[in-house]
Amino acid sequence: ETGVTQTPRHLVMGMTNKKSLKCEQHLGHNAMYWYKQSAKKPLELMFVYNFKEQTENNSVPSRFSPECPNSSHLFLHLHTLQPEDSALYLCASSQEGRGESDTQYFGPGTRLTVL
Amino acid sequence: SQQGEEDPQALSIQEGENATMNCSYKTSINNLQWYRQNSGRGLVHLILIRSNEREKHSGRLRVTLDTSKKSSSLLITASRAADTASYFCASGHSNTGKLIFGQGTTLQVKP
Repeated sequence: ETGVTQTPRHLVMGMTNKKSLKCEQHLGHNAMYWYKQSAKKPLELMFVYNFKEQTENNSVPSRFSPECPNSSHLFLHLHTLQPEDSALYLCASSQEGRGESDTQYFGPGTRLTVL
Repeated sequence: SQQGEEDPQALSIQEGENATMNCSYKTSINNLQWYRQNSGRGLVHLILIRSNEREKHSGRLRVTLDTSKKSSSLLITASRAADTASYFCASGHSNTGKLIFGQGTTLQVKP
């Protein structure tokens, strides 16, 4: 256990559905991240939050909408997704996301399939 | 092309042998990190080497960093079947605090 939990672990949704992914960290960290991992591609950073403020949006389509209500919780709201959005979505946290590149602690991921 | 390109992409060895994976990056870093991922799971941090360090050890892991060549290597000695996983390097950038991950090396250790 890394101290970062993600729910659900698996999700199948249609292109017209709306769903949310949840991430929670129990490490007292101030930075949280969403990554997308597709087959045969490097990990793609999607969003970064530092002290609840979004500091990075890596040209992610608007059908992905992050929310960070506090330093321990991070959500990714999904709507009208495409089949190519099927991937493993990983959440991570670190002590602080500015300056020195901290060690990141990852959750187990949500395997998303879009039909 | 991306930072943190790794080679080889896949490696298959017998238990007890050593495994070496290499990583290259393009711009200045403040540290380089190695992570491990078991199939379909999250990444687990293995080791971090700072830009002013040349070599670091942790158990059966040995990491080297050559900033003049912008490259790093991860050596796993006396490999075990349980070491079977994907290994990723991630370059840490001082101006952004971001980590940029490579595509990874898939290691298979045969019993």
